[in-house]
Amino acid sequence: QKEVEQDPGPLSVPEGAIVSLNCTYSNSAFQYFMWYRQYSRKGPELLMYTYSSGNKEDGRFTAQVDKSSKYISLFIRDSQPSDSATYLCAMSETSYDKVIFGPGTSLSVIP
Amino acid sequence: NAGVTQTPKFQVLKTGQSMTLQCAQDMNHNSMYWYRQDPGMGLRLIYYSASEGTTDKGEVPNGYNVSRLNKREFSLRLESAAPSQTSVYFCASSERGNPYEQYFGPGTRLTVT
Repeated sequence: QKEVEQDPGPLSVPEGAIVSLNCTYSNSAFQYFMWYRQYSRKGPELLMYTYSSGNKEDGRFTAQVDKSSKYISLFIRDSQPSDSATYLCAMSETSYDKVIFGPGTSLSVIP
Repeated sequence: NAGVTQTPKFQVLKTGQSMTLQCAQDMNHNSMYWYRQDPGMGLRLIYYSASEGTTDKGEVPNGYNVSRLNKREFSLRLESAAPSQTSVYFCASSERGNPYEQYFGPGTRLTVT
């Protein structure tokens, strides 16, 4: 079993839809949870990160962590064509540990 | 600020050839990383350097060597390239103790025939 799993998609939604992207993980020691966005043929860029459980909101993006279920989510409200990208979840145990990335979910937002 | 830069952008090698991928950052970060990205596998850590003068193996170090030349530069060397090393290689940097906020370069697309 991989340490971090994501549905690879592709996920295709109409513009304005609410998008839910999810990751599951097996290591209960993970405490830092990140979401990166990667446009085609570019390097990943950090969207947001959370520490431990709970929610974090940044504009149209909301990250949720449920440590009891070992499940994290990224919600995108009012999705835009510019949100079309691959979304990578990532996790680490401590602030000095290596980061483990999921394989990514490809999202297309259709105008 | 250029952020993280990588050279070359593309490279084709024959099996057995060697090459060095260059990475530099201008954000005064202590920590630097080399990843490879393959379809369905996500980003896998090859080597990382927590600070100038130190390097450590990641998840997939076999077939690679690294040099942390100074605080800015971190190079990745393939001594004898194999087709299994065909991949996209990303360099990243972060503040020490802040690996969750990594800044990535644009990547190097390497094909080994």
